[in-house]
Amino acid sequence: GIQVEQSPPDLILQEGANSTLRCNFSDSVNNLQWFHQNPWGQLINLFYIPSGTKQNGRLSATTVATERYSLLYISSSQTTDSGVYFCAVGGNQGGKLIFGQGTELSVKP
Amino acid sequence: NAGVTQTPKFQVLKTGQSMTLQCAQDMNHEYMSWYRQDPGMGLRLIHYSVGAGITDQGEVPNGYNVSRSTTEDFPLRLLSAAPSQTSVYFCASSHQTSRDREYEQYFGPGTRLTVT
Repeated sequence: GIQVEQSPPDLILQEGANSTLRCNFSDSVNNLQWFHQNPWGQLINLFYIPSGTKQNGRLSATTVATERYSLLYISSSQTTDSGVYFCAVGGNQGGKLIFGQGTELSVKP
Repeated sequence: NAGVTQTPKFQVLKTGQSMTLQCAQDMNHEYMSWYRQDPGMGLRLIHYSVGAGITDQGEVPNGYNVSRSTTEDFPLRLLSAAPSQTSVYFCASSHQTSRDREYEQYFGPGTRLTVT
């Protein structure tokens, strides 16, 4: 099956710093999503991005499907950005996502 | 829309007990899924459904049963709980985006289950 690897596994930032999280996947995919799991355990949809680039405020994401990776950029980080960021990919059938192990981000004031 | 709802939020079971985790969605999504999340790990797919009356196994199906009698509901049954099933369980639903074969998933708030 498809393998998903995220890097780095954890990251500590000072408030205001920028960061880039990476997601590599082992096969072609039709679906790729980035999620933020907050300290209360909620999974929040950040981006649905099987290809291309999207931006939402301080966050942006780019997926290069032909090279099998995706990047999540966080600019001017805030303490509320802390939590775990997951990349998840799927094939051409709905209902099935394969998750990476996540990147745990801690933003210090 | 309430989105994806799950009940209960927390549950403690004794080994061997049975229970059903409830999941409902009001977005008329055809696809629904159950995942489990263990400490320090990503989510793993237990079972999924592509429509009412149709279910299939995911990565870790053993010890769990599902059924899908309506589009809205997708309950997960633990027939005889074991300590290895202590986990956080997430239900999700998805729909096809405007592009062919692309599906965006939405997750419920989770159920934290402890089996003693």
